[in-house]
Amino acid sequence: GIQVEQSPPDLILQEGANSTLRCNFSDSVNNLQWFHQNPWGQLINLFYIPSGTKQNGRLSATTVATERYSLLYISSSQTTDSGVYFCAVELRRANDYKLSFGAGTTVTVRA
Amino acid sequence: DAEITQSPRHKIIETGRQVTLACHQTWNHNNMFWYRQDLGHGLRLIHYSYGVHDTNKGEVSDGYSVSRSNTEDLPLTLESAASSQTSVYFCASSESLGNTEAFFGQGTRLTVV
Repeated sequence: GIQVEQSPPDLILQEGANSTLRCNFSDSVNNLQWFHQNPWGQLINLFYIPSGTKQNGRLSATTVATERYSLLYISSSQTTDSGVYFCAVELRRANDYKLSFGAGTTVTVRA
Repeated sequence: DAEITQSPRHKIIETGRQVTLACHQTWNHNNMFWYRQDLGHGLRLIHYSYGVHDTNKGEVSDGYSVSRSNTEDLPLTLESAASSQTSVYFCASSESLGNTEAFFGQGTRLTVV
């Protein structure tokens, strides 16, 4: 199956710092999503981004599908950004909508 | 607002018992999925469905079953619960055409004692 690798596995930030999370995947994809799992365990949709660049407030994401990677940028981090960030991909195959998840990046933002 | 809900949110059951976790979505999505999340393993796919009466096994399907009798619901049944099935279970749904963005329920924390 498709391999999804996220880096770094852990990230500790001081409040106000910027950071970049990376997701590499091993095959062509139809869909790529970034999620934030908050301390209560809820999975929050951040971006649906099979290609291109999107921005939402202090967060932005870029997917370069031809080179099989995606980046999530967090700017001016806040303590509420803490949690686990997951990248998930849907293989480019007809009628196949399953998501495969990376292992996640655990982000801790310190005040 | 359309949503996806799971119940119960927490459950403790004894080894060998049967339990069913409910998942209900109001988006009229064709696709529904069950994942489990364990430390060290991320989210792994248990079962999925692409429409009414369609069910498929995921990578960790042993000991689980699903049925899809309508569009809105995909209940997950553990026939004879084992301690290895202690986990957090997430249900998700997505559309089949165009934007296939998946949305997740709040999760069910299941403990098998």
